Amino acid sequence: QKEVEQDPGPLSVPEGAIVSLNCTYSNSAFQYFMWYRQYSRKGPELLMYTYSSGNKEDGRFTAQVDKSSKYISLFIRDSQPSDSATYLCAMGSSNDYKLSFGAGTTVTVRA
Amino acid sequence: DAMVIQNPRYQVTQFGKPVTLSCSQTLNHNVMYWYQQKSSQAPKLLFHYYDKDFNNEADTPDNFQSRRPNTSFCFLDIRSPGLGDAAMYLCATSREKYQETQYFGPGTRLLVL
Repeated sequence: QKEVEQDPGPLSVPEGAIVSLNCTYSNSAFQYFMWYRQYSRKGPELLMYTYSSGNKEDGRFTAQVDKSSKYISLFIRDSQPSDSATYLCAMGSSNDYKLSFGAGTTVTVRA
Repeated sequence: DAMVIQNPRYQVTQFGKPVTLSCSQTLNHNVMYWYQQKSSQAPKLLFHYYDKDFNNEADTPDNFQSRRPNTSFCFLDIRSPGLGDAAMYLCATSREKYQETQYFGPGTRLLVL
């Protein structure tokens, strides 16, 4: 069993829809959580960083962390064609330098 | 703008011919990482430097080496590339080792013929 499982997708949504992306994890030591956006043939770009449980909002993006369920989500409101990319979740703990990544969910927003 | 830069963006090499990929950063971060990412897979950590302290992941093949001559630069050397080494190679940095965001460069796509 992988340490981080991410919904595999792909997802195809119409412009303006809400996109919901999810990851589950097994390591209860994870304390900080990130979402990266990766355009085709480019490096991952940090979207959201959250420490511990709770919600964080940044513009059209909302990250949720539920440590009791070991579940994190990223919501994209009013999705745009420019949001078409692969989204990677990543997480880490205070005593380990390594991040654990999900395999990514590819999202296509149709104009 | 502070950033992580990788060169070249695309590299074609022949089977068994050594290749070097480079990474530089203007963030003045202490830690630099090299990842390998294959299609539709999560990035896989190869090694990292904390300042001059080199740390190799246990499952990183001996074929892969790294150098960090100064804070700003880090190199990935692949001594004898095989077909299975074709991948995207990502450099990342973080300010410190723990509880820190990692910032990625644009990657170098390596093709082995």
